[in-house]
Amino acid sequence: NAGVTQTPKFQVLKTGQSMTLQCAQDMNHNSMYWYRQDPGMGLRLIYYSASEGTTDKGEVPNGYNVSRLNKREFSLRLESAAPSQTSVYFCACKTAEGTDTQYFGPGTRLTVL
Amino acid sequence: GENVEQHPSTLSVQEGDSAVIKCTYSDSASNYFPWYKQELGKRPQLIIDIRSNVGEKKDQRIAVTLNKTAKHFSLHITETQPEDSAVYFCAASLVRAGSYQLTFGKGTKLSVIP
Repeated sequence: NAGVTQTPKFQVLKTGQSMTLQCAQDMNHNSMYWYRQDPGMGLRLIYYSASEGTTDKGEVPNGYNVSRLNKREFSLRLESAAPSQTSVYFCACKTAEGTDTQYFGPGTRLTVL
Repeated sequence: GENVEQHPSTLSVQEGDSAVIKCTYSDSASNYFPWYKQELGKRPQLIIDIRSNVGEKKDQRIAVTLNKTAKHFSLHITETQPEDSAVYFCAASLVRAGSYQLTFGKGTKLSVIP
């Protein structure tokens, strides 16, 4: 079991370029989340998906779009990258039953020049 | 929405001493409070959690206490070791649109001095 995986691990973009961050989980969890982590700011929720076919905005959704492709995969897209989107991005997932624990992926470090 | 404040932002302790990190939350409907440890360059990992119907929980050298009336919760690490050095995040969980959402504090960088 890989748990939660993210690709790529690192990425450098120029302002205005687009890219998609990929997240996949093999834990059979219903809920998936995208966070960004900036120094001194903790983790802030960008978008989440409570179940396959649904997505909702979190605290900082501007400049991002998401797709819940199936139960396993949840992607985050930057249509026109800006330097303010330089951050570490974490994907997480959680089962709908029992524990409320969120399990995090290894992260993607994105730099926008 | 929920707001979580965490103090202190940095904490240095001598090896073997105790460390305490405190968090407050704003929404009385929050009912789940996890603590995550993040080592440099790694993902956050859950170390302990507590639900709103419990006042205290212990797991070896770490413990969490919750005061629902005052809306604050704390992480206690006893007999600290150098490997406890990391950034610790508290969080509070609310159900919104059918899904639990975590709101995180801004983190505490703990340094354990050998």
